Amino acid sequence: DQQVKQNSPSLSVQEGRISILNCDYTNSMFDYFLWYKKYPAEGPTFLISISSIKDKNEDGRFTVFLNKSAKHLSLHIVPSQPGDSAVYFCAASRNFNKFYFGSGTKLNVKP
Amino acid sequence: NAGVTQTPKFQVLKTGQSMTLQCAQDMNHNSMYWYRQDPGMGLRLIYYSASEGTTDKGEVPNGYNVSRLNKREFSLRLESAAPSQTSVYFCASSSGFGELFFGEGSRLTVL
Repeated sequence: DQQVKQNSPSLSVQEGRISILNCDYTNSMFDYFLWYKKYPAEGPTFLISISSIKDKNEDGRFTVFLNKSAKHLSLHIVPSQPGDSAVYFCAASRNFNKFYFGSGTKLNVKP
Repeated sequence: NAGVTQTPKFQVLKTGQSMTLQCAQDMNHNSMYWYRQDPGMGLRLIYYSASEGTTDKGEVPNGYNVSRLNKREFSLRLESAAPSQTSVYFCASSSGFGELFFGEGSRLTVL
């Protein structure tokens, strides 16, 4: 049974608007979370992380929010750009050990 | 800096054949991982190594073996390949206190 779930396989957004990608997890012991971006035929590349001691982390256009009580995290991209079109994965771990990934959300940013 | 290097990038096998996927990192990382990516399933952890000489099963270890040869190298072996092992395989490494760095992937087809 998957411990990390991304329930939206795809998302389409207009350029300049906000993209919100969601991720849920089941293990309350997870304490470190990551977001990755993946283009076809390439390896995933790291975007942003958040520790369970925080509820928000920002890096430029990317912000990750963590709601521990709901076991939910989200990635906000503002403003969205066509180059952001890719598959986004969230991942979670306990004590930086095994990282479990979601199934991914394919983001399409329309010009 | 090469980062994480995987070989081979492409491989076609017949059912029952064996092969080894090689992975090497030059970042002096302690932790290394093998994932497989399948459509709709995201990235699933096959095996994990927290440090040289240690390995641990992930979510989908059946049909695979691993060797952490030294700090730099972590190999994945398929002893008797099956069509269900057709996938894209990713190796990753981390310092053990942060994000994972991925290789470019190895596309394996088992006929």
